[in-house]
Amino acid sequence: EPEVTQTPSHQVTQMGQEVILRCVPISNHLYFYWYRQILGQKVEFLVSFYNNEISEKSEIFDDQFSVERPDGSNFTLKIRSTKLEDSAMYFCASSALPGTGSGDTEAFFGQGTRLTVV
Amino acid sequence: DAKTTQPPSMDCAEGRAANLPCNHSTISGNEYVYWYRQIHSQGPQYIIHGLKNNETNEMASLIITEDRKSSTLILPHATLRDTAVYYCIVRVKPPSNTGKLIFGQGTTLQVKP
Repeated sequence: EPEVTQTPSHQVTQMGQEVILRCVPISNHLYFYWYRQILGQKVEFLVSFYNNEISEKSEIFDDQFSVERPDGSNFTLKIRSTKLEDSAMYFCASSALPGTGSGDTEAFFGQGTRLTVV
Repeated sequence: DAKTTQPPSMDCAEGRAANLPCNHSTISGNEYVYWYRQIHSQGPQYIIHGLKNNETNEMASLIITEDRKSSTLILPHATLRDTAVYYCIVRVKPPSNTGKLIFGQGTTLQVKP
């Protein structure tokens, strides 16, 4: 069964450092997302990406965050200067275009990257 | 996006059916009801979705009331591995929107032996 793959599974970084979280979405999917979950809290939407551009972003997704799809397979989330409050699980998700018969439009999530900022 | 209301927690005996309710009284005509679950901080897992008809797949059944203001997710024979937080989410399908999911607090289902 196809799956969304995220690397690394755990990243520790010092405050102020840049981090890049990587995701390989399901191959024929066209919608891509990042979510985060601070320990003990709910899953929060960060950004959606379609047709090589951001289609929607939340208030959390400020200028410190950026996303990129540098090639045909990877989808990355960059945090330019990490803060302690960026410590969280970050989930990547992808979904298909409606009508393609590829699992309809439900989003499939990766297993997450646990980011710890010290 | 319409908001949903779920009980914070429920218990279920192993092997019995788990019935998880969800209220979505402000749902719009083009919004679907989706159910996801999250097992111990893993990535959320899609379970099922529907618009107005009842739906069934290999994981669960979804019963939507005729007025669409509430729904029930049914796990027919709960196992210990079904212990998780279950999220009921309503949203319009892309491309009518971006496809984002807004998660609430969900229902923590504890399946007990």
